[in-house]
Amino acid sequence: AQSVTQPDIHITVSEGASLELRCNYSYGATPYLFWYVQSPGQGLQLLLKYFSGDTLVQGIKGFEAEFKRSQSSFNLRKPSVHWSDAAEYFCAVGANTGNQFYFGTGTSLTVIP
Amino acid sequence: DTGVSQNPRHKITKRGQNVTFRCDPISEHNRLYWYRQTLGQGPEFLTYFQNEAQLEKSRLLSDRFSAERPKGSFSTLEIQRTEQGDSAMYLCASSPPWGLAGAPYEQYFGPGTRLTVT
Repeated sequence: AQSVTQPDIHITVSEGASLELRCNYSYGATPYLFWYVQSPGQGLQLLLKYFSGDTLVQGIKGFEAEFKRSQSSFNLRKPSVHWSDAAEYFCAVGANTGNQFYFGTGTSLTVIP
Repeated sequence: DTGVSQNPRHKITKRGQNVTFRCDPISEHNRLYWYRQTLGQGPEFLTYFQNEAQLEKSRLLSDRFSAERPKGSFSTLEIQRTEQGDSAMYLCASSPPWGLAGAPYEQYFGPGTRLTVT
């Protein structure tokens, strides 16, 4: 069965520090992987996605993620965090039939000045 | 295009009442999804439409829940005889069909409807 695990419920980083949010997935076929960000009162916004090809994908707002098939991971990174990055981050895997996404439980990011 | 819209944004209802939410997808998106999100959790899939056909329903979608997408455009999600456990954020998403530029499986989410059952 498909599933996504985000081991870190909450992370606090200082502004300007680097960030890595972990995501592990379980999926029997080639996964379609996504990272979304959700700010309070807002819908989910797509940060980046991986379908195939280069395993290091670039997204919006300076985020990147690396797909590692051997580790079943798709970790999100950012070299220098801004205060506006404080939000909830969700990793998701998409079924190859395109009919639903499986989301992790999310990682809440706090950025301190 | 203004993106996926959902109405109402907030709904407070008493237990036992019926509620209906509306989702307007991005135009030309033939796929539409409903999710439920509770506090501290990620969105959970409820149901999926391709055009007007409802192709998949989660076991989370009890017989009190019904969704429609007449004419393959907007969609409605109705909850009958609401229970306190139905309190959640209900999210709608849409995605383009196969073959269009971009990701066929990329889902665009609306702002959600927050339901509170008292």
